[in-house]
Amino acid sequence: AQKVTQAQTEISVVEKEDVTLDCVYETRDTTYYLFWYKQPPSGELVFLIRRNSFDEQNEISGRYSWNFQKSTSSFNFTITASQVVDSAVYFCALSFFQGAQKLVFGQGTRLTINP
Amino acid sequence: ETGVTQTPRHLVMGMTNKKSLKCEQHLGHNAMYWYKQSAKKPLELMFVYSLEERVENNSVPSRFSPECPNSSHLFLHLHTLQPEDSALYLCASSQGPSLAPSLQYFGAGTRLSVL
Repeated sequence: AQKVTQAQTEISVVEKEDVTLDCVYETRDTTYYLFWYKQPPSGELVFLIRRNSFDEQNEISGRYSWNFQKSTSSFNFTITASQVVDSAVYFCALSFFQGAQKLVFGQGTRLTINP
Repeated sequence: ETGVTQTPRHLVMGMTNKKSLKCEQHLGHNAMYWYKQSAKKPLELMFVYSLEERVENNSVPSRFSPECPNSSHLFLHLHTLQPEDSALYLCASSQGPSLAPSLQYFGAGTRLSVL
């Protein structure tokens, strides 16, 4: 069965600190995709990144970076020099196909960046 | 603006009421989803429609009744709900059906309170 675990329920840091959000997943599929979404207070989930299981290259996008390690089934997300606007709930998700494309989400990490 | 619009944004209803949630997507997608987001729980997939046919019903109680009249619109009809049904209900759409996971775009959700 597919499962995503985000062990950090809440994180609070001061602005400009770096922060890493952890994501550990379980799947028996050899081909799968991992996602990170951001949910600001307005409610909608905003897509941040999609990574397939064959691409273990780390990715950097501005202040955001992702570390994908199949050996530890982890897909961690780091925000460098955090800003107050980064405050949100962040979800890691795993996709699989079972009659239709589906996403299984972790419980989310509430990130608060304090000025 | 993700291209997925949900109305109403907030809804308060009694346990004997009947109401409907509406979702509309302007992205030309042909798969649509309903998710439930309760406090301190991961997002739960409720229903999936692909090409206007329901392909998934994740053991959702019959007091929730989905309807997908066309590929752009999705409804969730509610009747005789329970207080534990209070949650944020999110709609999403994606390109589907496909074996390769396409990105799901989310609406801002309907915050439902059942009294």
